[in-house]
Amino acid sequence: DIQMTQSPSSLSASVGDRVTITCRANQSINSHLNWYQHKPGKAPKLLIYAASSLHSGVPSRFSGSGSGTDFTLTVTSLQPEDFATYYCQQTYRIPITFGQGTRLEIK
Amino acid sequence: EVQLVESGGGLVQPGGSLRLSCAASGFTFSSSWMHWVRQAPGKGLVWVSRISTDASITSYADSVKGRFTSSRDNAKNTLYLQMNSLRAEDTAVYYCARGRDGGTPDYWGQGTLVTVSS
Repeated sequence: DIQMTQSPSSLSASVGDRVTITCRANQSINSHLNWYQHKPGKAPKLLIYAASSLHSGVPSRFSGSGSGTDFTLTVTSLQPEDFATYYCQQTYRIPITFGQGTRLEIK
Repeated sequence: EVQLVESGGGLVQPGGSLRLSCAASGFTFSSSWMHWVRQAPGKGLVWVSRISTDASITSYADSVKGRFTSSRDNAKNTLYLQMNSLRAEDTAVYYCARGRDGGTPDYWGQGTLVTVSS
């Protein structure tokens, strides 16, 4: 199975900050990397697919980059609604696997 | 608007069975691969299964292979997950999700809670 490792596991930031979350795969996954936002009791939301493409309806302050094994999710100018847990996911090979999650908290 | 609504969760004893349903609307269900993903209490997201548009292809996580079965009824726009030989470690919220272009889960339901306990 392809192992996905996110860092950091948790992060404290303030409204208006820029934050970056990284995700590393233990083998190349080309650009088959997605990012999700998840809030308790809610459906996970797709933010970025294919490493850098913004999903429909997602604000442009979210962006993704990377290919191969190393990827990043950047959120510029954090808004109150952005505090949540973020997951990366690879769809290069079955089984689909997720990172362990990054909890973004208000400082 | 894409909508996915899971149902069928509940409390079941170890070794028991449960069938989850996912009612889909707002898109062409028969043209979409579908996924099941779960989240145990306090843990992260874990992919469980996927099924092709005509159900000819199914894939499973090793942890559920041989115990869980995905199926679908395209006439009813409904996805199913039959769960047998349930274990305590299967306790989780189960989400269904549409597969974008056959792969990436793009729209998800709100989930249904399955608790396996005596």
